[in-house]
Amino acid sequence: EAEVAQSPRYKITEKSQAVAFWCDPISGHATLYWYRQILGQGPELLVQFQDESVVDDSQLPKDRFSAERLKGVDSTLKIQPAELGDSAMYLCASSLGLRREAFFGQGTRLTVV
Amino acid sequence: AQTVTQSQPEMSVQEAETVTLSCTYDTSESDYYLFWYKQPPSRQMILVIRQEAYKQQNATENRFSVNFQKAAKSFSLKISDSQLGDAAMYFCAYRQHGGSEKLVFGKGTKLTVNP
Repeated sequence: EAEVAQSPRYKITEKSQAVAFWCDPISGHATLYWYRQILGQGPELLVQFQDESVVDDSQLPKDRFSAERLKGVDSTLKIQPAELGDSAMYLCASSLGLRREAFFGQGTRLTVV
Repeated sequence: AQTVTQSQPEMSVQEAETVTLSCTYDTSESDYYLFWYKQPPSRQMILVIRQEAYKQQNATENRFSVNFQKAAKSFSLKISDSQLGDAAMYFCAYRQHGGSEKLVFGKGTKLTVNP
């Protein structure tokens, strides 16, 4: 069964360091989402791509976060510099299109120390 | 902005019994979708059930059903014949029809199933 792949599963980084997460969506899925889930909260959308174009990045802290999906397939989310408050689960999801079911990866748990 | 509220941080149920998880939402839109997602410990979030706002009939998926009250903006999930594998975080989510169609999630309800 096809799944959304994310790596790494766990990441510990020091404050002020750079960190990057990778997501490989299900083959053929045009829409890709990055969500942040703080412990005890529901996921919040950081950025949404349709193919290689950004559809929604209104909640992305652009002073330190960046995301790209250069060829419209896999995607990278970067944080530089990391802050203590960035500790969270970062979830990637993909769907065939905007109105189709979203499938989630297992996430990357980030701890900033 | 749309908001989703889950007022039950934790719920528990005996195996084989029925449990209902509550969800309310706030929107000024008339066309939208509602979802329940399940997030087991250390595993990915999966879709349990979905409801289109224009449909009056409540959605059902095997042991899972919803009670959708559009006027009250309420969307509860009923799990019948609860199984140990149902133990997880359950998130209610809203998606507007149009625009980016992003999912807006509630804070979740942790469901424990007791043997």
